Amino acid sequence: SQTIHQWPATLVQPVGSPLSLECTVEGTSNPNLYWYRQAAGRGLQLLFYSVGIGQISSEVPQNLSASRPQDRQFILSSKKLLLSDSGFYLCAWSRPSTDTQYFGPGTRLTVL
Amino acid sequence: QKEVEQDPGPLSVPEGAIVSLNCTYSNSAFQYFMWYRQYSRKGPELLMYTYSSGNKEDGRLTAQVDKSSKYISLFIRDSQPSDSATYLCAIPFTGNQFYFGTGTSLTVIP
Repeated sequence: SQTIHQWPATLVQPVGSPLSLECTVEGTSNPNLYWYRQAAGRGLQLLFYSVGIGQISSEVPQNLSASRPQDRQFILSSKKLLLSDSGFYLCAWSRPSTDTQYFGPGTRLTVL
Repeated sequence: QKEVEQDPGPLSVPEGAIVSLNCTYSNSAFQYFMWYRQYSRKGPELLMYTYSSGNKEDGRLTAQVDKSSKYISLFIRDSQPSDSATYLCAIPFTGNQFYFGTGTSLTVIP
């Protein structure tokens, strides 16, 4: 069966500090991978998605970036966090050419 | 107009009640519709997946699609306190991307 992991689960960072969130998927090959941010009352905002190693599509211009160094690894980064980066970050995966996305447990980021 | 709109609630019902959760959408070309459940501080989990119009049942859950009205519903029968969560509707569109509703918060009171 497939499993998706995210870490850390919770993170508190000062403004201006760097960020690295990691997502890995087990039990499948060549998944599509996604990063979302969820803010209270605003639903899920797609940040990045990837259909393969090194292939990243950005949906929202911001100070965040994403990388996919391995087939089942997706990393969300920032060089300098802003207060507005606080939120709940979710990684998701789907099989290529299918419509169903499966979500990880999420990382709650607080920027102070 | 947003592609998907969902009443945020919150919705509070007594245990055993029938719950109706609803979304409307804008594009009549949408064919697939999904419902996710999200417990507090957890990732969403897929509950139901329906194609085109009609009903789909799974245990106490019924997903209904009315394409003529562009309206989708999730019914929960005999609601339990463990059903307390936020429910998100989702509609896939091009490139494996989704339109998500903002979620409806449900509390089932014992």
